[in-house]
Order: sequence, then structure tokens, then C-alpha cells
Amino acid sequence: GAGVSQSPSNKVTEKGKDVELRCDPISGHTALYWYRQSLGQGLEFLIYFQGNSAPDKSGLPSDRFSAERTGGSVSTLTIQRTQQEDSAVYLCASSLTGERTQYFGPGTRLLVL
Amino acid sequence: SQQGEEDPQALSIQEGENATMNCSYKTSINNLQWYRQNSGRGLVHLILIRSNEREKHSGRLRVTLDTSKKSSSLLITASRAADTASYFCAYGANSKLTFGKGITLSVRP
Repeated sequence: GAGVSQSPSNKVTEKGKDVELRCDPISGHTALYWYRQSLGQGLEFLIYFQGNSAPDKSGLPSDRFSAERTGGSVSTLTIQRTQQEDSAVYLCASSLTGERTQYFGPGTRLLVL
Repeated sequence: SQQGEEDPQALSIQEGENATMNCSYKTSINNLQWYRQNSGRGLVHLILIRSNEREKHSGRLRVTLDTSKKSSSLLITASRAADTASYFCAYGANSKLTFGKGITLSVRP
């Protein structure tokens, strides 16, 4: 079946602009995660959605970052007033309720000039 | 920081040799997983070991877990050039995982 998809694959933007990154999880997966990976680094947790529960936003680095998940499926990560340090690969993952394995999308490579 | 350590940071071996990668963590966990990443893109799940397990096998992969030492190792036997990638351990006590910084494995043909 279809895996996790993310769009766009690559995004180049100017400092100060807003960007929206999209994630389509695997159908039926109730949990959805956003991570950020800077060049040569590990994954930095950003936010976690589980069903209809309030999201865990503890990893968001600043109030310029926000995310929503509509209808328990598609999620959008929004970065307002982008800064050069926001340049990274943004990865989305999903999993089944109670399942520890996470299934990752291919990521969105964001470059802020 | 709750982030653990992986070692070595980089490993280069000849095709056919075994590769051993280590991960240490700091928190209580109920499972530890290993993932592979090619070319800085999405991660692929390799294997999961629960906190009450000591060793697990999957094909050419063998993972061990020592909860008393808070450490895990991943062994890839009979390596192939296609095993060249970054490998990450990930661990947690609930649905949230903490990922290590990764180990870069290069397998020379």
C-alpha cells in the first residue's frame, strides 16, 4: 500500500517568508510525528499527534512553528517568518495506535536564503 | 539532554565483513529500535527490541539490549555495498522516540 508522502520534496524560500509543509500519513495510522534533521545531525522531535488528543508540541523550537492535523489524517507544518537556521530536512512519520514502529516519509528539504 | 550516544560516528569496512554499531541511552525505555537512512531522506525501520528482550535477529541483523548498562548494539553480518547508509538508534518509554545522531556506515565493494 501507499507509504507516507510529503510535499514539496524541496522548498527554497527567502528569509522572512512563511512556508507550509504537508504530510499524508499511511491510511489508518492514528499517530503522526514531525521531526527536523539538520545537516549531518540526528532527528529533532517537533510535534506529535495522536488521534483526537491534544498534540504534544513540546519540541517546537519557537512560536514561529505550528502544525495542524485536519480530520485525523493530513498534517501541515507551518513556519512563519523563516530564518536561515530553519534550513533542514523536515521528516514526517506515522504509526498505528499502540505500535512503536514509525513509518517515515521521504522528507521536505527546506532551504532558507 | 535525553539524547544518547552512538559509536562509532563513522565506520568503513570491506564488503563481506561484519559491522557493529553501539548505542547508549540515558532514560528508562520499553523498547529500542534501529533505523536506516539513505541519502538524508526518510528513515526505514530495521528492527525493534523490547526492554524484556536481550537479543533479537532479523536476517543479517542481530541486535542486543543490556538495560542494566543502558546500551544496545546492532550487528550487520556479511555486509554488502548496499548496506552503506546512516544508522540510528531510537528509544522511548511511550510513543515518542528519542533518536541518536546516527552512525555513518560505508561498505567498500
